Amino acid sequence: ETGVTQSPTHLIKTRGQQVTLRCSSQSGHNTVSWYQQALGQGPQFIFQYYREEENGRGNFPPRFSGLQFPNYSSELNVNALELDDSALYLCASSWGDRVGYTFGSGTRLTVV
Amino acid sequence: AQSVTQLGSHVSVSEGALVLLRCNYSSSVPPYLFWYVQYPNQGLQLLLKYTSAATLVKGINGFEAEFKKSETSFHLTKPSAHMSDAAEYFCAVSKSGGSNYKLTFGKGTLLTVNP
Repeated sequence: ETGVTQSPTHLIKTRGQQVTLRCSSQSGHNTVSWYQQALGQGPQFIFQYYREEENGRGNFPPRFSGLQFPNYSSELNVNALELDDSALYLCASSWGDRVGYTFGSGTRLTVV
Repeated sequence: AQSVTQLGSHVSVSEGALVLLRCNYSSSVPPYLFWYVQYPNQGLQLLLKYTSAATLVKGINGFEAEFKKSETSFHLTKPSAHMSDAAEYFCAVSKSGGSNYKLTFGKGTLLTVNP
């Protein structure tokens, strides 16, 4: 079975720009969650998608938005980038309410 | 609200020595608990999880953890450290039940293994 794949692996953007990060969930998984991991910190929950609907959101502003597609892949969009958005963005997938996520290797976003 | 405290941001052990990484949690409902490992420039790999079955949980790579409700702890141990265990370790908690398994992570413990 394939794992969770994220693209791109690295990205550099300028403050004020917009960015889209992509995630393909593990085969058979229908739930996708996104986490932000700042340098030296643990991951923080951004939001989760289940069957193409947002199913929970962390303490992130509305300029962080997402989508889930019928094939369960997902996008994370961030508008009006700020320097503090520089982080590793992790995607994780799971099957419904079964416990345990599979994480991707992440996208390293640098905002300059 | 749920939270996790990992005691010690950096733990250093000798190869072959006992590994003990500490995790205490706070949860208003019965928790699910997890340990993840992160190697440099990689994502998170699940080591083990507690989901209200046996309190002593065995994971991959020889790691295990014991859920102690009275101490609100879920410490990670390994009898004998290997050089390949050097990585960052994260403890995480989520609510049991329901379909939204938001994970709340600790700040992590960096494990170094000395030859």
